[in-house]
Amino acid sequence: DAGITQSPRHKVTETGTPVTLRCHQTENHRYMYWYRQDPGHGLRLIHYSYGVKDTDKGEVSDGYSVSRSKTEDFLLTLESATSSQTSVYFCAIGLAGPYEQYFGPGTRLTVT
Amino acid sequence: ELKVEQNPLFLSMQEGKNYTIYCNYSTTSDRLYWYRQDPGKSLESLFVLLSNGAVKQEGRLMASLDTKARLSTLHITAAVHDLSATYFCAVDGNYGGSQGNLIFGKGTKLSVKP
Repeated sequence: DAGITQSPRHKVTETGTPVTLRCHQTENHRYMYWYRQDPGHGLRLIHYSYGVKDTDKGEVSDGYSVSRSKTEDFLLTLESATSSQTSVYFCAIGLAGPYEQYFGPGTRLTVT
Repeated sequence: ELKVEQNPLFLSMQEGKNYTIYCNYSTTSDRLYWYRQDPGKSLESLFVLLSNGAVKQEGRLMASLDTKARLSTLHITAAVHDLSATYFCAVDGNYGGSQGNLIFGKGTKLSVKP
């Protein structure tokens, strides 16, 4: 068990409200990732981080921001949630640098 | 832009039969991953394939990589019900140098029936 948790695990929110999802790891891995999973799309990378305060955009970053002020926490923020952001969000850590990603349990987010 | 295509997307098999899932990708990459996902669960790493000709086996599953053909296969031997799940391949997207930017296929939903 690579020691990765996500919170909350489930959330229902209204359109236009801000939402922050948290990914927490206990083993000091440098690389962390946020993905979203939607039916028919597989997983798509939103943002990733390669160190404290070092982040970059992925494939579907519009409408999302991230922060990493500590090695162990990677936060994903939806500034103003929209129904199209209803999804399951997975955090992952790179077990061997940027390689061999290990996925967290996921957060199911519903935007009404 | 890297694209990853899996086929078939749905696969219904009988127990005891063999089958292969295919993963094609559009640009050069030498690192390919296979994951398994059970309904409502997270992704579990199955194989990491790092070089042309790489072959890895675990139980009834065997994965191979042909970087020249940009093709990976996941072969299932004598399927059992416990293998029912969705299988994803993922390729390192190499956006500006590898940072682990994985591009996933859409997944193959495998159902093994008695």
